[in-house]
Amino acid sequence: GAGVSQSPSNKVTEKGKDVELRCDPISGHTALYWYRQSLGQGLEFLIYFQGNSAPDKSGLPSDRFSAERTGGSVSTLTIQRTQQEDSAVYLCASSPTEYSYTFGSGTRLTVV
Amino acid sequence: GQQLNQSPQSMFIQEGEDVSMNCTSSSIFNTWLWYKQDPGEGPVLLIALYKAGELTSNGRLTAQFGITRKDSFLNISASIPSDVGIYFCAGSTGTASKLTFGTGTRLQVTL
Repeated sequence: GAGVSQSPSNKVTEKGKDVELRCDPISGHTALYWYRQSLGQGLEFLIYFQGNSAPDKSGLPSDRFSAERTGGSVSTLTIQRTQQEDSAVYLCASSPTEYSYTFGSGTRLTVV
Repeated sequence: GQQLNQSPQSMFIQEGEDVSMNCTSSSIFNTWLWYKQDPGEGPVLLIALYKAGELTSNGRLTAQFGITRKDSFLNISASIPSDVGIYFCAGSTGTASKLTFGTGTRLQVTL
């Protein structure tokens, strides 16, 4: 597609449940990133995929968070046993080999 | 995680005024980027800077990459209502590597 697509746009889940967030990057972009944005805050790096290299997971806040990227394209961010502090907007971005990212519109996750 | 220090946190200005915001870091970056985020949307790239000392313009926007590689500023001239939003600086240490984002400057423009 023309841009980075994320789904769902909004997700409300009960504390303790697992959630999956999806990102469809721009076709041909080799790099894919997940960031988290808490209310009124900047963006916090979570994980980065580049081609076939091992992902950089250094930003994942706990082992409840994981992500995969299948076939070098679509990525899924999974949060297990969600907690209220996981509530945030989760943003995905993709990038060609140059520096500039293109962000999706994000998934707003609310844990109740 | 690490965040860049961005100031001011928020600004209320009148339409037509010029705006200046800056970003500082304790670390050196090879690339500085400025993004704008509208409500309910992801950030959109405004300007990218690749060399220390570089001054780049994009319409009414001008940004500079500090000589020390630890800071950058963004100027907006003759502000208009659609400039309202949150502006983020971001730094990168390498090609397509993860970005470290600033804390954001919320800009409000009054008529």
